[in-house]
Amino acid sequence: GAGVSQSPSNKVTEKGKDVELRCDPISGHTALYWYRQSLGQGLEFLIYFQGNSAPDKSGLPSDRFSAERTGGSVSTLTIQRTQQEDSAVYLCASSLLGVANYGYTFGSGTRLTVV
Amino acid sequence: GNSVTQMEGPVTLSEEAFLTINCTYTATGYPSLFWYVQYPGEGLQLLLKATKADDKGSNKGFEATYRKETTSFHLEKGSVQVSDSAVYFCALITGFQKLVFGTGTRLLVSP
Repeated sequence: GAGVSQSPSNKVTEKGKDVELRCDPISGHTALYWYRQSLGQGLEFLIYFQGNSAPDKSGLPSDRFSAERTGGSVSTLTIQRTQQEDSAVYLCASSLLGVANYGYTFGSGTRLTVV
Repeated sequence: GNSVTQMEGPVTLSEEAFLTINCTYTATGYPSLFWYVQYPGEGLQLLLKATKADDKGSNKGFEATYRKETTSFHLEKGSVQVSDSAVYFCALITGFQKLVFGTGTRLLVSP
């Protein structure tokens, strides 16, 4: 597509429920990233997919968080047993592998609220 | 490891004032440097970039020069507008790594 698409744009969930957040990267972009932006905070790296390599999961805050990328395109970030501190905007970005130093294209994010 | 330090906000200015938002970095290798902007209610947008020392990135009246000797990439604009009110993020990347962001600086411009 023309840009990075994320869905849903807003999600309200009850504490303890599982949620899935979806990211459609720009067609042909082989690198995909998830970041989290908490209220009043900066951007926290979560996970990075680069082509067919094993993902860099070093930013995932706990084992309740996981992500997958199917067919080298769409990615799903799953948060199990959500907690109130998971409330944040979850941002996805993609880039063309090999030109990552020219920056990423970000989606508009999914605002997650855990009540 | 790589890191970015930005000045604390908010920065509050009157319209047509001069803007500087400081950004310094620590990196292994030779990073590329970026400024991203997030307008209220919107996602992050790339504002400008510089990929090697002494390069100057510019866009929409904003400028930043890659200073290797001071490891800095300060954002400047000669005359801010109310529409520039946003959160500005400095960031860097080295090689095939992930973007590392600063904590962001909120700019508030009043008429």
